[in-house]
Amino acid sequence: AQSVTQLDSQVPVFEEAPVELRCNYSSSVSVYLFWYVQYPNQGLQLLLKYLSGSTLVKGINGFEAEFNKSQTSFHLRKPSVHISDTAEYFCAVSDRGSGSEKLVFGKGTKLTVNP
Amino acid sequence: GAVVSQHPSRVICKSGTSVKIECRSLDFQATTMFWYRQFPKQSLMLMATSNEGSKATYEQGVEKDKFLINHASLTLSTLTVTSAHPEDSSFYICSARDGMTVNTEAFFGQGTRLTVV
Repeated sequence: AQSVTQLDSQVPVFEEAPVELRCNYSSSVSVYLFWYVQYPNQGLQLLLKYLSGSTLVKGINGFEAEFNKSQTSFHLRKPSVHISDTAEYFCAVSDRGSGSEKLVFGKGTKLTVNP
Repeated sequence: GAVVSQHPSRVICKSGTSVKIECRSLDFQATTMFWYRQFPKQSLMLMATSNEGSKATYEQGVEKDKFLINHASLTLSTLTVTSAHPEDSSFYICSARDGMTVNTEAFFGQGTRLTVV
């Protein structure tokens, strides 16, 4: 079974500041890793994903994340945030070994970008 | 990219009535769809896995007789909340993967805000 821990429930930052949203996972098997963004009363939009290969993954809207196997982490970063980045961000894992398509989500981090 | 359409986006119903939520994959075939429930300010919790042409697989603690899932075609899955109660009020989201490719990305619907009064 997998689990995901998002260490920060809320992250307030000022516009144009850098931000890092932390994600750690636990799994006994190899996993795929994802970051999703959710705007109020909407579904989830994929920001980026790690399947294999380079541990630094670049996604949409200027976000990137780095997979660190030894630390079982997949932190999300953006060098300069905009007001429009204000949203809820979810880290998720799925089990690659069994072919399972289920996603296990973290509890989410609410990013608030202030002017 | 692939699109998953969920309908309705919002619904208000009276206690004791049933509500049906549809989840459609618009440009790909989804042999498997997933239904999640999201409580306010919390994460998504998987309710069930919907398999085309067979019975859904429910997660522990989810009442299958209350949350009826039908996946009659490769592009449509429905979730029916039967005899709804105020505690069923929540945000329900479906997701689907393209069954024809190895891509493991899940595409999500827009979600349905259910309010039971």
